[in-house]
Amino acid sequence: KQEVTQIPAALSVPEGENLVLNCSFTDSAIYNLQWFRQDPGKGLTSLLLIQSSQREQTSGRLNASLDKSSGRSTLYIAASQPGDSATYLCAVRNLFQGGSEKLVFGKGTKLTVNP
Amino acid sequence: SAVISQKPSRDICQRGTSLTIQCQVDSQVTMMFWYRQQPGQSLTLIATANQGSEATYESGFVIDKFPISRPNLTFSTLTVSNMSPEDSSIYLCSVDPADRGNYGYTFGSGTRLTVV
Repeated sequence: KQEVTQIPAALSVPEGENLVLNCSFTDSAIYNLQWFRQDPGKGLTSLLLIQSSQREQTSGRLNASLDKSSGRSTLYIAASQPGDSATYLCAVRNLFQGGSEKLVFGKGTKLTVNP
Repeated sequence: SAVISQKPSRDICQRGTSLTIQCQVDSQVTMMFWYRQQPGQSLTLIATANQGSEATYESGFVIDKFPISRPNLTFSTLTVSNMSPEDSSIYLCSVDPADRGNYGYTFGSGTRLTVV
């Protein structure tokens, strides 16, 4: 059974700092991994998608890496801003027998960027 | 990626009643997924809804409690039946990206349900 763990659970940093969020998963046979952002009481916004064959993806100030063999991914946020304050969720997609697919989520890292 | 319109965005309901949540997608998709996010927890898949067949429920979720409809390839509903305070959660729908290529899952904006 796939399990996804995110460390730390919460992180508070001053504005402008670079930071790294960590995600680990127990079953390395994944199809892809996706990072999401969730604002309080809201839905999920997709940030980055990394296919199992890829090592990293970049979008603006965000960079996500994937080491499938060790079951790890990191989300790097450069020059953090107060608007980056949110909960960041990591999710992996496995393929199961019968074609049923689903995402398995970590519990998230709650990021606060202080002005 | 697909755009999902989910409603209602929030509701406060009396225990013992039912609430139906709707998700409309701007394009045809084969599978739609319904998730629950309890307070302080991560997302848990409730069921997968394919058009033209019965939904597939995850362990711990049953059709009598969470009936799902999927009348066409752009629309689905989730009903939370006979609600209790333990059902207070955010409910989200999501679409299968395989219909649009590998662009990642897209989620609706969520329904924040409070049962009193």
